[in-house]
Amino acid sequence: NAGVMQNPRHLVRRRGQEARLRCSPVKGHSHVYWYRQLPEEGLKFMVYLQKENIIDESGMPKERFSAEFPKEGPSILRIQQVVRGDSAAYFCASSPALDYGYTFGSGTRLTVV
Amino acid sequence: KQEVTQIPAALSVPEGENLVLNCSFTDSAIYNLQWFRQDPGKGLTSLLLIQSSQREQTSGRLNASLDKSSGRSTLYIAASQPGDSATYLCANYNQGGKLIFGQGTELSVKP
Repeated sequence: NAGVMQNPRHLVRRRGQEARLRCSPVKGHSHVYWYRQLPEEGLKFMVYLQKENIIDESGMPKERFSAEFPKEGPSILRIQQVVRGDSAAYFCASSPALDYGYTFGSGTRLTVV
Repeated sequence: KQEVTQIPAALSVPEGENLVLNCSFTDSAIYNLQWFRQDPGKGLTSLLLIQSSQREQTSGRLNASLDKSSGRSTLYIAASQPGDSATYLCANYNQGGKLIFGQGTELSVKP
């Protein structure tokens, strides 16, 4: 029974490139959340998705960032035209329902050079 | 706007001590509260989940309590071990489902 799988574990991108981060939730979990942890800062909510729907994207930067959770396949967090300030650890979490707590993945560490 | 504060920010104790980590939040209209552990460079491991109708949860040497009326939760670790060294995070969420994290308590247990 695999947990939340995130890949890649580490990603290096040059400024201006695109970064695509993948998250496969725990089997049977329909709620997916993305969080960002900047160096020396706490975890900040980015977006909450259910299958094919964005429920809450209040934590997403207005530009360059997008997320999806298609009917089939993993959830994708996409960052276009990356800048150095995007360097951070990005964590995905999933839950079967609101009352059951969250399971986190190991994260993707993005470095923009 | 919900704010979560964890005290102390860092704690260093000798092996074998019992210790308490504190978490406070400004909005008592929370749904659940969850404690996590994060090792350096790693993801988050769930320790305890206190659901909306509960006041405490226990797992092994860990005990977490929740007092919604005062906006506080505590994590008690009994007989601490060097392997307990990590950052401990508390987070709560309301019915909107969004987890709000504290900044964490960095625990170091010395042999």
